[in-house]
Amino acid sequence: GAGVSQSPRYKVAKRGQDVALRCDPISGHVSLFWYQQALGQGPEFLTYFQNEAQLDKSGLPSDRFFAERPEGSVSTLKIQRTQQEDSAVYLCASSPTSGSYNEQFFGPGTRLTVL
Amino acid sequence: SQKIEQNSEALNIQEGKTATLTCNYTNYSPAYLQWYRQDPGRGPVFLLLIRENEKEKRKERLKVTFDTTLKQSLFHITASQPADSATYLCALVEGDDKIIFGKGTRLHILP
Repeated sequence: GAGVSQSPRYKVAKRGQDVALRCDPISGHVSLFWYQQALGQGPEFLTYFQNEAQLDKSGLPSDRFFAERPEGSVSTLKIQRTQQEDSAVYLCASSPTSGSYNEQFFGPGTRLTVL
Repeated sequence: SQKIEQNSEALNIQEGKTATLTCNYTNYSPAYLQWYRQDPGRGPVFLLLIRENEKEKRKERLKVTFDTTLKQSLFHITASQPADSATYLCALVEGDDKIIFGKGTRLHILP
């Protein structure tokens, strides 16, 4: 079966541009997570959805970051007015149940480079 | 402050030996601890979960221990193979929705 997919796989943006990163979770998965992973670091939590409800957005680094999951399936992470420090791999993960204690299934990530 | 430390950035182990990776944490009270494997250019892949009331968990050649007194988890790969070479991430689950990852340890199994 299909796993978690993310698009685009690579994105180059000029500083100040807006970007949108898409995540297609495994069908039927209730929970969806976004993480930011800098080079040589572990993934850092950004935000969590249970179905269409965004239950935790405490990890979003600034108000330039916005995530949505309007129908409880596909999710989009939007970054406005990108800065160089936004360069990282953005990972999406889904899980069949609510909460994060169960196995999370990760996508391959989107590598964002801001010039 | 809260911290998760994985023993070293890189670890070289001879093929066939047991690899042991360490995860220490401070100022957390995790209910669960997970271990993931990450290969270059890919997302992490879940390996094992251990609960705070479990001392040890095994899966094939993998073994995880969890000592809440020492605030430490050990991850063992027995009879290691070159295909086990990857970065291994320790992750704490403290609340309902947040996983906190360590930086990872790059493991190299030498043929």
